[in-house]
Amino acid sequence: GAVVSQHPSWVICKSGTSVKIECRSLDFQATTMFWYRQFPKQSLMLMATSNEGSKATYEQGVEKDKFLINHASLTLSTLTVTSAHPEDSSFYICSAPVPGQGLNTEAFFGQGTRLTVV
Amino acid sequence: GDSVTQMEGPVTLSEEAFLTINCTYTATGYPSLFWYVQYPGEGLQLLLKATKADDKGSNKGFEATYRKETTSFHLEKGSVQVSDSAVYFCALTVYTGGFKTIFGAGTRLFVK
Repeated sequence: GAVVSQHPSWVICKSGTSVKIECRSLDFQATTMFWYRQFPKQSLMLMATSNEGSKATYEQGVEKDKFLINHASLTLSTLTVTSAHPEDSSFYICSAPVPGQGLNTEAFFGQGTRLTVV
Repeated sequence: GDSVTQMEGPVTLSEEAFLTINCTYTATGYPSLFWYVQYPGEGLQLLLKATKADDKGSNKGFEATYRKETTSFHLEKGSVQVSDSAVYFCALTVYTGGFKTIFGAGTRLFVK
């Protein structure tokens, strides 16, 4: 069945460095992927919509220069947290809808990446 | 704008108790409705869905009915188990120039 694979599952980095998170769709092509951020005991907040072959669409309040998104192929989207700071520590989750289902589309989620900036 | 409101948790129940988690929504157009579950340390999984009014989604003993007149999609289970302890998210998918999924805040369920 359709699966979304996210890597790494956890990462610890030093303040000021950049971290790249990968999101891959397995067994299906994803022209669109979504990136979410989840704070402890809170819901998922949509950060941006990643579109294959074009620029990502960012939600209001999300810094596009800080959270770089690249959707280079139909099966891979990457989120790079640039110049990370401790306040960027969070759980980041990607998802991809299976195409062709219209509004019936369920979202398949990656396992999530827990980022800790020290 | 489009939004999902679900009851605050945590909800603590004894095994075999009846569960209801309320969910209401506002949306332009005609959304599809979903319940997702997140077990400790894991990502989200689809639990059930309904795509039109009066549809009932069901899975693993859970069910929810799409009520357009009350804009609700309440989750129910007749007899919960310890293994049902998780966070439950109500969500809708709308098309606004592209498909977007919007989540409720999540309700944490503890079954003891």
